[in-house]
Amino acid sequence: AQSVSQHNHHVILSEAASLELGCNYSYGGTVNLFWYVQYPGQHLQLLLKYFSGDPLVKGIKGFEAEFIKSKFSFNLRKPSVQWSDTAEYFCAVALNFGNEKLTFGTGTRLTIIP
Amino acid sequence: NAGVTQTPKFQVLKTGQSMTLQCAQDMNHNSMYWYRQDPGMGLRLIYYSASEGTTDKGEVPNGYNVSRLNKREFSLRLESAAPSQTSVYFCASSNRENTGELFFGEGSRLTVL
Repeated sequence: AQSVSQHNHHVILSEAASLELGCNYSYGGTVNLFWYVQYPGQHLQLLLKYFSGDPLVKGIKGFEAEFIKSKFSFNLRKPSVQWSDTAEYFCAVALNFGNEKLTFGTGTRLTIIP
Repeated sequence: NAGVTQTPKFQVLKTGQSMTLQCAQDMNHNSMYWYRQDPGMGLRLIYYSASEGTTDKGEVPNGYNVSRLNKREFSLRLESAAPSQTSVYFCASSNRENTGELFFGEGSRLTVL
């Protein structure tokens, strides 16, 4: 079965710092990749997704992620974070197109200090 | 636009009690899911339903049952609650045309004493 690893459990940054959150998955076949965000007290929302094509995908609120197939990675980045980015971020993978079952990573809690 | 609605939002149970979490979506989605979220463990799939009338086990189905009552509704039942089932439960739905984009409810926080 596929698995997703997020090695950063809690990241603390100051406003305007750059962000990179790591995500690695274990599966040799075709995958769809996602980042979800959960703001405090809220439900999960889709941040961005990759199905195919350009490995650099852009999402909402200035986030982007790069799919590197050779490294089985899908890291999330943002050049300059804001206090409102404080949230928990989840990477997720689905095995193939048409299979909506997602496997989530354990999440990274991001705290932005004003 | 309600999206995915879960009830109740909070519940406290004693060990051995039963309860049902209700979920309804108004987006005409085919697929529905129940996840549990625990600190340090992310979200784990309990059960899912790819279409009305079908259900399948996810990663952690033990101690739970589900019913896909119709296309809109997908309920999760705990027959005999255990402290290990203390968690936040999320219902979600999706459509095959947007594979992997799950729409989540606001969650149900369950405490089993």
